Amino acid sequence: QQQVKQSPQSLIVQKGGISIINCAYENTAFDYFPWYQQFPGKGPALLIAIRPDVSEKKEGRFTISFNKSAKQFSLHIMDSQPGDSATYFCAASKSWGKLQFGAGTQVVVTP
Amino acid sequence: DTAVSQTPKYLVTQMGNDKSIKCEQNLGHDTMYWYKQDSKKFLKIMFSYNNKELIINETVPNRFSPKSPDKAHLNLHINSLELGDSAVYFCASSQDETAVNSPLHFGNGTRLTVT
Repeated sequence: QQQVKQSPQSLIVQKGGISIINCAYENTAFDYFPWYQQFPGKGPALLIAIRPDVSEKKEGRFTISFNKSAKQFSLHIMDSQPGDSATYFCAASKSWGKLQFGAGTQVVVTP
Repeated sequence: DTAVSQTPKYLVTQMGNDKSIKCEQNLGHDTMYWYKQDSKKFLKIMFSYNNKELIINETVPNRFSPKSPDKAHLNLHINSLELGDSAVYFCASSQDETAVNSPLHFGNGTRLTVT
């Protein structure tokens, strides 16, 4: 049973647009929520992460929004660029636990 | 100076064969993992080792046997390969077992195709 549900499965956005990927979790003990980015032929790499004590974290064009009461978090990619085309995975874990990954979202940014 | 390297990158073999995938990390991390990524890109943890000791063993057929000769290496041996084993296998490492303090560093994967 997947503990982190991710949507959409795929996303096409024009250059300069905003990409939004949503994730939901059930386990209220989760307290760490990272996003990983995977390019074709490569392994996933940590992009940005958030703890539940803040509602938003921004790093450059990437922002995580976190809603603890709804048990949801999302990744926003502002001013999307063709180089952002990749598969994005949300994940969640307890501090000492293993990461539970979402199913992934393939993002394609068209020129 | 690749941080997490795994070999081979591609592996094509027939059903019933035995094969191994090797992984090495030069980050000085204490914890290493094997993940399986299926054709739908879903990432599933298989095993985790901390300082050569097995700490996570998910529901994986016992045809899969990890071996960690030292904390910088974690190899995966697969016996009696089946069609359903076809996937991309990723090795990863992290500083320790705490997800918060130590992000995962993945290798570039081994694409296993069983015919």
